[in-house]
Amino acid sequence: SQQGEEDPQALSIQEGENATMNCSYKTSINNLQWYRQNSGRGLVHLILIRSNEREKHSGRLRVTLDTSKKSSSLLITASRAADTASYFCATDDSNSGYALNFGKGTSLLVTP
Amino acid sequence: GAVVSQHPSRVICKSGTSVKIECRSLDFQATTMFWYRQFPKKSLMLMATSNEGSKATYEQGVEKDKFLINHASLTLSTLTVTSAHPEDSSFYICSAPTSGYETQYFGPGTRLLVL
Repeated sequence: SQQGEEDPQALSIQEGENATMNCSYKTSINNLQWYRQNSGRGLVHLILIRSNEREKHSGRLRVTLDTSKKSSSLLITASRAADTASYFCATDDSNSGYALNFGKGTSLLVTP
Repeated sequence: GAVVSQHPSRVICKSGTSVKIECRSLDFQATTMFWYRQFPKKSLMLMATSNEGSKATYEQGVEKDKFLINHASLTLSTLTVTSAHPEDSSFYICSAPTSGYETQYFGPGTRLLVL
């Protein structure tokens, strides 16, 4: 079942700017993950944040998690044209054998 | 890093035919694999969980007789779309969980077009 909801659905920025995407979910989670998908391709895991963590960094990525609000944000700093892709948040679902519930995704366009 | 492959990458078939999609874990064993379906500009919908040596677990609303899943070895799961119809046209993606089941490795996807 889908439970992650990202916003915005689409985001267009210029190179060098920061991109912020938000995700909300409905049920309790063990962790929340962000994935990237280039057009017509599979997904690439970006970062995982556990339910007892509030913020995590990986290179130009910064993820926050607010379990009280059931929301997360992904910040990409100093964006590049190569960051153009769709970004999905996903929550684990122990009831489905650890399959992931994906949000609808944010389509990011970074123009030179 | 671990890699999951899918074959074919894209397939066009006539309505009524069956299509088999393979998902392989290339350098690790996967007792569990997941099959997702993605419509254009939409999110991934979990179709089923493939279990090595046992029956697949299907999500509500997914017809198990239409989407046959076989997980015959620790590195291969297959999804067969039987008697395909144009509405089955979609992007099918498989994944295999990492050890500890925290994250997943995704295949590159298979684009199916049924004419």
